Amino acid sequence: AQKITQTQPGMFVQEKEAVTLDCTYDTSDQSYGLFWYKQPSSGEMIFLIYQGSYDEQNATEGRYSLNFQKARKSANLVISASQLGDSAMYFCAMREGIYNFNKFYFGSGTKLNVKP
Amino acid sequence: EAQVTQNPRYLITVTGKKLTVTCSQNMNHEYMSWYRQDPGLGLRQIYYSMNVEVTDKGDVPEGYKVSRKEKRNFPLILESPSPNQTSLYFCASKGPRRPEAFFGQGTRLTVV
Repeated sequence: AQKITQTQPGMFVQEKEAVTLDCTYDTSDQSYGLFWYKQPSSGEMIFLIYQGSYDEQNATEGRYSLNFQKARKSANLVISASQLGDSAMYFCAMREGIYNFNKFYFGSGTKLNVKP
Repeated sequence: EAQVTQNPRYLITVTGKKLTVTCSQNMNHEYMSWYRQDPGLGLRQIYYSMNVEVTDKGDVPEGYKVSRKEKRNFPLILESPSPNQTSLYFCASKGPRRPEAFFGQGTRLTVV
C-alpha cells in the first residue's frame, strides 16, 4: 500500500487566490511526522512545513498552512495568496517515528501552475 | 553556509561502468540518506545511514551501495549501472534539532 498519496498530478490556480494540495497518508504508528517540500524547475528540494502527529494545532509558516486531519489521515497543504513564484512541484512526505528518523516516504507530487 | 553538496550535478555514463556520486554535509548531521526521483513516482529512498559505519536499506536499494566512513560523507556507488538507474538522485542529511531533512542540489544521471 502507498504510504503517501497525492491524487492531483497537476493543478492551476489564479494568482492571489488560495489553493489546497491534497495529501493522504497511511501508517499504523502513533508517532509520525508529515512534511511538505517544494521543488521549483531548478530542481532543488525546499522544505516548507512540518506537522508532528501529536501537534494539536495545524502548522503554519507564512503563506503556508497544513490542514491536519488525523482521523482522516490527511495532511493537505494550503497556500494562501498564490504568487507566480509558487509554480513548482510539491511533495508531501512522512517519516514514521518522531525520535528515530529512519525511513522517509514521499508522494508522487503535484505540479502547481500559478496563472497571472 | 550550511549545505549538502553533491557531485557531479550531471553525469552521462555507459552501462556497466562503475561510478560514484559523492555527498558531503557541513552541518555535523548524523543522519544521511539517498533518494532517487522518477516521474510519477516521487522520491524513493535508496539507503540511509544513522551514523558512521551504520547504514541500512531503503525501499529501492538494488543495484546501489553506500559507505559511511566519515560523518560528513555518504557516497552512493553504482557498481554496474544499468539504463533503469537513469534518474535524478538526491542526498539529504538531518540533525537532531530540526525535523526536516536538508537536500543536496541533485545529480542527474543518465545511463546509456
